[in-house]
Amino acid sequence: EIVLTQSPGTLSLSPGDRATLSCRASQSVSSGYLAWYQKKPGQAPRLLIYGASSRASGVPDRFSGGGSRTDYTLTISRLEPEDFAMYYCQQYGRSPLTFGPGTKLEIK
Amino acid sequence: QVQLVQSGAEVRRPGSSVKVSCEASGGTFSSYAINWVRQAPGQGLEWMGGIIPSVAVPNYAQSFKGRVTITADKSTNTAYMYLSSLRSEDTAVYYCARDRIPYDYGCWEDWGQGTLVTVSS
Repeated sequence: EIVLTQSPGTLSLSPGDRATLSCRASQSVSSGYLAWYQKKPGQAPRLLIYGASSRASGVPDRFSGGGSRTDYTLTISRLEPEDFAMYYCQQYGRSPLTFGPGTKLEIK
Repeated sequence: QVQLVQSGAEVRRPGSSVKVSCEASGGTFSSYAINWVRQAPGQGLEWMGGIIPSVAVPNYAQSFKGRVTITADKSTNTAYMYLSSLRSEDTAVYYCARDRIPYDYGCWEDWGQGTLVTVSS
């Protein structure tokens, strides 16, 4: 099983700031099959990024993903108030599909 | 855009079982995997397994094998998740989610609204 680790656990920033979230895999994620989700209380997860760097439908271009093999990042270039939420990475290169523990992005 | 509508909240006793449904509309059903993901209170997301309706062979996470059964009914475009031997730790919101591309277990753009299952004596 591929174990995903996310850092930091909590990120405190202000609207307008740049956010960089990290996801590290215990082994290489084949073909960059790494996704990022945004999760808000009472809502279903929202797919932001798939294939490590492709934005899902309707996702603003302030969200970008990068990385390869075992190290991946999600960058939010300029935080909007609605961006403060939990963020999870997920690998789908190998079964079982696994998630990281999440990064909480909170308002400073 | 595919819509996934799940059945309502459930309360169960420890040791019992629960069945949650997920009805799809607005898109192709049989070739896209329907997956089940849960989130316990204060915890992260956990993939339980999924099924491609036209293939009908489920893919389960090891931690749920023996307790979970995932099925799909192509005639009604509905997937089901049955979880047995419930314990308090199974209290969670259960989501169904449709794969982004056909015939794959990957990532998920379309999600149900979630079903709260509470296990309590």
